[in-house]
Amino acid sequence: AQTVTQSQPEMSVQEAETVTLSCTYDTSESDYYLFWYKQPPSRQMILVIRQEAYKQQNATENRFSVNFQKAAKSFSLKISDSQLGDAAMYFCAYRSLTGTASKLTFGTGTRLQVTL
Amino acid sequence: DTEVTQTPKHLVMGMTNKKSLKCEQHMGHRAMYWYKQKAKKPPELMFVYSYEKLSINESVPSRFSPECPNSSLLNLHLHALQPEDSALYLCASSQLWTGNYGYTFGSGTRLTVV
Repeated sequence: AQTVTQSQPEMSVQEAETVTLSCTYDTSESDYYLFWYKQPPSRQMILVIRQEAYKQQNATENRFSVNFQKAAKSFSLKISDSQLGDAAMYFCAYRSLTGTASKLTFGTGTRLQVTL
Repeated sequence: DTEVTQTPKHLVMGMTNKKSLKCEQHMGHRAMYWYKQKAKKPPELMFVYSYEKLSINESVPSRFSPECPNSSLLNLHLHALQPEDSALYLCASSQLWTGNYGYTFGSGTRLTVV
C-alpha cells in the first residue's frame, strides 16, 4: 500500500514571500500521479497542481510549482509571491495507475498561514 | 458545468433518524466517491463507484449505505448513526482510465449526530 507523509503540520509565510511545503511518499509502482490539493475554510478541496511520474519536467501552474524527485520519492510544493488567499490546508495526494477508479491517498496535511 | 454539487450543506440528525446526502455532477465522469473527513485530518475514502457499480467499500459500517442511481447522481443513506460519525462528508468524481486529472470535489456536507 502507498503512504504519503507531510512532515510539516503548520507553516507560515509573509505576503509576497516564497514558501515550500514538503511531501514524501512510499510506493513500489513506477507509474503514478501526484497532486497537491488546497482546502480553505470553505471546505472545498481544490486541485492546485498535478505531476505525472513518468514526466521528468516539474509541473508549474502560475505561482505554484513542484520539485519532483522520483528517486527520492519527494514531491514538494513551492508557492511564490504568497497571497492572503493562499492560506489554507494543503494536502499532498498519490494516485495509482492500477484499477479503473483508483483511490487518492492523502498525506496528513500542512496548514499554511499567510501574514501581512 | 465543472462542479460537483452536494446537498445539504449542513445536517443535524438524531441517532434514530434516517437521512440522505446527495451528490450530483454533470461532467460525464464515470467514477464517483464518498470521503469522510474529521477535523484537521485528511479525507478518508469510504466508497468508490465506477460505471454506477460499487467497486470499493473501505469496510464502512452498514449504517452508511451508498447508492448510485445513474451516472450523474450519488447518494449516501444514513441510518442509526453514532455521534462519532459527525464529520464533513465529501463527494468527488473523476474520469476513468485518465488518472492525471485527479478528482473534482464538492464542498461537502457537515454532519452532526446528536
